[in-house]
Amino acid sequence: GAVVSQHPSWVICKSGTSVKIECRSLDFQATTMFWYRQFPKQSLMLMATSNEGSKATYEQGVEKDKFLINHASLTLSTLTVTSAHPEDSSFYICSAREGGEYGYTFGSGTRLTVV
Amino acid sequence: AQSVTQPDIHITVSEGASLELRCNYSYGATPYLFWYVQSPGQGLQLLLKYFSGDTLVQGIKGFEAEFKRSQSSFNLRKPSVHWSDAAEYFCAVGARSGATNKLIFGTGTLLAVQP
Repeated sequence: GAVVSQHPSWVICKSGTSVKIECRSLDFQATTMFWYRQFPKQSLMLMATSNEGSKATYEQGVEKDKFLINHASLTLSTLTVTSAHPEDSSFYICSAREGGEYGYTFGSGTRLTVV
Repeated sequence: AQSVTQPDIHITVSEGASLELRCNYSYGATPYLFWYVQSPGQGLQLLLKYFSGDTLVQGIKGFEAEFKRSQSSFNLRKPSVHWSDAAEYFCAVGARSGATNKLIFGTGTLLAVQP
């Protein structure tokens, strides 16, 4: 079946630095990928929709300059958390559309801790 | 606006007992409904989905869900729970936004299984 690889699985960074998270569709092409943020014991909140070859569409309240999304190819989308702060610590999950209207496959997530 | 409510934050059942997780949705049109399961520190796995047709949907791992339009519900059931079913369960509704189909998640139900 469709597989989405997310890397790294976990990362610790210092406050003020930037962190890049990769989301790859391994065996299919994905024109659309989604980035979610999940706080402990809470649901997934959609941050942005990543479209190959065009700018990402951000949800209301999400800072575009802080969470940079690049979808340069049909198999790779990246999320860069710029100038990270402790409040950015969270679990970030990507998903890619494999086919059909709602054929989404999720990555295994990235645990970001900013110290 | 579309929304999903999962009234039960945490449920504990004994192994071998039956399970029902509740989900209510708010959506103006015919909804696309989903149940996902998330193990700790992992991404989401699709259990089942409802688009149209038979209102009783069978999924993986012995799960089923029933769509009841009159009650705006899509409850997840399993006749006999196994210890490996302990995880967090998310109900979601598909929402059209421009040219993109997005998933809106409920807050999740954490399932604990007692021996």
